[in-house]
Amino acid sequence: NAGVTQTPKFRILKIGQSMTLQCTQDMNHNYMYWYRQDPGMGLKLIYYSVGAGITDKGEVPNGYNVSRSTTEDFPLRLELAAPSQTSVYFCASKTNRDTEAFFGQGTRLTVV
Amino acid sequence: DAKTTQPNSMESNEEEPVHLPCNHSTISGTDYIHWYRQLPSQGPEYVIHGLTSNVNNRMASLAIAEDRKSSTLILHRATLRDAAVYYCILRGQTGANNLFFGTGTRLTVIP
Repeated sequence: NAGVTQTPKFRILKIGQSMTLQCTQDMNHNYMYWYRQDPGMGLKLIYYSVGAGITDKGEVPNGYNVSRSTTEDFPLRLELAAPSQTSVYFCASKTNRDTEAFFGQGTRLTVV
Repeated sequence: DAKTTQPNSMESNEEEPVHLPCNHSTISGTDYIHWYRQLPSQGPEYVIHGLTSNVNNRMASLAIAEDRKSSTLILHRATLRDAAVYYCILRGQTGANNLFFGTGTRLTVIP
């Protein structure tokens, strides 16, 4: 049981490049989330999903897209990377609204 | 969403109890109080949560004020492994019950 797995762990992008941050969970959780954490700050919600085929915006969705074609996977897409997207990205999942959330180890992204 | 207020930082000596306070004066009747912690270079991990009554688990205790406008996370014997940022979060009953993180309290444990 691996929990929530994020890949890659580190990435450097040039301005204007695109990439997909991968997140997969093997706990059959319905709810999945993407957060970003800037230095010295708390986590901010980017997008979330309550089940396969359903996604919705969080607090800071601009510049990102998501999809949820399966229960297990919730990839986050950056289309035109900007320096403001330099951050650590965390994926999380939980089984339903009354349970604890499980977080991945994070992806540290630098845009230069 | 209701906000929480926590001290930016606290220190504790190793093997002593630690009381981490959280104010949430605008909490609604259906908001659960959740605590997560984030160890250095890791994702947040769940610690404990409660609604009205005090709660205990293997990691910590949660004391909730009678009016629910404040709560305290209690670590009974701080260890060096407990050095982390602790987040007090109110989880609502609507939508996907998202967790809205503030800046938390950075706990330093002194050997």
